[in-house]
Amino acid sequence: DTGVSQDPRHKITKRGQNVTFRCDPISEHNRLYWYRQTLGQGPEFLTYFQNEAQLEKSRLLSDRFSAERPKGSFSTLEIQRTEQGDSAMYLCASSLQGGDTQYFGPGTRLTVL
Amino acid sequence: AQTVTQSQPEMSVQEAETVTLSCTYDTSESDYYLFWYKQPPSRQMILVIRQEAYKQQNATENRFSVNFQKAAKSFSLKISDSQLGDAAMYFCAAQGGSEKLVFGKGTKLTVNP
Repeated sequence: DTGVSQDPRHKITKRGQNVTFRCDPISEHNRLYWYRQTLGQGPEFLTYFQNEAQLEKSRLLSDRFSAERPKGSFSTLEIQRTEQGDSAMYLCASSLQGGDTQYFGPGTRLTVL
Repeated sequence: AQTVTQSQPEMSVQEAETVTLSCTYDTSESDYYLFWYKQPPSRQMILVIRQEAYKQQNATENRFSVNFQKAAKSFSLKISDSQLGDAAMYFCAAQGGSEKLVFGKGTKLTVNP
């Protein structure tokens, strides 16, 4: 039984560069969620998909952030023109359907220099 | 809007003893779910226990149990027979209305041998 996977696990980039993260959900899970976790805090919701449709976006998701889930399988989260404040752990989770338990991946740790 | 508050930034327990982690929440939803997640150092977040708000019976999972006080909006986690592997950050989370999870700031649990 394969869990949620994320790639890369770590990313170091310079301010102003673009970065893209990938999340592969548990097979057959139609919900996919993105959260951001900064040091000493709990995760904060960014956005979620039902299949390929993006149904909710947080105000945290500025216009520099974009997420996609083509074909309702894996998802990508892109951050354009990164800023130091974007440094965080980006977590992906998936669930079978709404209201079900969300299962988390290992996260991608982003460091913006 | 939902809020989740964990008032204990850190807790410690002796191996084999019992510890209780506190969580209070606020929501205007009548139908919601509550969760405890565990995040070991540098490892991914895993579900400890889940409670449906409409169920009066407190959820239990082996050594983990909750005390769900709906009127008081309290959702504490009790860990019995603590083990060294229980050492981690513990996050309380709520889900209702929207599919997003709203997390508290977490409680760092140390287990002393």
